[in-house]
Amino acid sequence: QQQVKQSPQSLIVQKGGIPIINCAYENTAFDYFPWYQQFPGKGPALLIAIRPDVSEKKEGRFTISFNKSAKQFSLHIMDSQPGDSATYFCAANLYALNFGKGTSLLVTP
Amino acid sequence: ETGVTQTPRHLVMGMTNKKSLKCEQHLGHNAMYWYKQSAKKPLELMFVYSLEERVENNSVPSRFSPECPNSSHLFLHLHTLQPEDSALYLCASKTYRGNTEAFFGQGTRLTVV
Repeated sequence: QQQVKQSPQSLIVQKGGIPIINCAYENTAFDYFPWYQQFPGKGPALLIAIRPDVSEKKEGRFTISFNKSAKQFSLHIMDSQPGDSATYFCAANLYALNFGKGTSLLVTP
Repeated sequence: ETGVTQTPRHLVMGMTNKKSLKCEQHLGHNAMYWYKQSAKKPLELMFVYSLEERVENNSVPSRFSPECPNSSHLFLHLHTLQPEDSALYLCASKTYRGNTEAFFGQGTRLTVV
């Protein structure tokens, strides 16, 4: 059973656009919600993370919005660049990370 | 470098072979994990070890056998695999039950022929 549902599966935006990736979860015991970025041939690397007592977190061009009552969270990438082209995974933590299916993002020049 | 090292990076094995994947971390974490990443599936949690004891096995076939001799090392022993086991196998470490970052290795790309 997929504990974290992620959408869309793929996304294409032009340089400077703002891609948005959404995730939803069911288990209210999850205590940490990270986003990971993965480039081909590499393992996933932490991009940004949020805890459920915070509604928004911003780090550089990356922002997480968190809606605890709706059990949803999303990633916004401001001023996207071709170098942001990668696969993005949301996750929710209990004692291990449960991942969404991933979103393949392509930022065109 | 994430502090989690996996070897080998690539492995091709026949269905009758026996091989092992190795993971090593020196981040002071007390939990280590094996994930499987296939082309059309999300990252699937396979095994969780905390303080060298297995705490979860997500219905993984017995042809995969994990071993955690100490808090810094994790192995995945493979035998009589099937072609559908071909995938990227990722090791991760973190603080068990801590709402903190998990660090991943670069993975072992396994091909079963």
